Amino acid sequence: AAGVIQSPRHLIKEKRETATLKCYPIPRHDTVYWYQQGPGQDPQFLISFYEKMQSDKGSIPDRFSAQQFSDYHSELNMSSLELGDSALYFCASSPYGGELPNTEAFFGQGTRLTVV
Amino acid sequence: AQKVTQAQTEISVVEKEDVTLDCVYETRDTTYYLFWYKQPPSGELVFLIRRNSFDEQNEISGRYSWNFQKSTSSFNFTITASQVVDSAVYFCALSEPEVFFGNEKLTFGTGTRLTIIP
Repeated sequence: AAGVIQSPRHLIKEKRETATLKCYPIPRHDTVYWYQQGPGQDPQFLISFYEKMQSDKGSIPDRFSAQQFSDYHSELNMSSLELGDSALYFCASSPYGGELPNTEAFFGQGTRLTVV
Repeated sequence: AQKVTQAQTEISVVEKEDVTLDCVYETRDTTYYLFWYKQPPSGELVFLIRRNSFDEQNEISGRYSWNFQKSTSSFNFTITASQVVDSAVYFCALSEPEVFFGNEKLTFGTGTRLTIIP
């Protein structure tokens, strides 16, 4: 079965550089979530999109932005990278189930970003 | 505000022993979902189970079982006859779905690192 695809799997950037992470949700999933997991930490919610519109926002720095495109894939753009941005970034997708939403979020394998 | 507490930071057991991972949650909503995820050393998050707040029936899946007790706001996870491949970090998570917007972000606990000793 198709899963959530994230690219790249690994990324090394220098401080102050820019990074773009991509997420391709499971087909027919219209909701995308981004999470950040620092070393030894639990995943923290960053932002989510439903039908190409931002639906919720968590602890996402102003240096980060994200969007969901017409084909439902999403990109997380990170600028002025800092050492503390080094983390595993997960994307998850889920379908919207009308009045009884299916809340089973499927996670991608993550992008490991290292800022040096 | 919702909160998930996994008080056990690390657990080590000898292979074939049973082990229970604790999860306690806080929420003001009557409708919510609870999850368990496994994160092996390779880093991916593997979905194990989702339960909704209206279904307190315990569930068993092979060597895995889950005990949901609404009265104590707990959703504990037991592995019976543990195996080395069970070694991983296990996260309990909570979501409070907004029915009309399909937004079900997850709040994770801090995780329990389980090590199975051969």
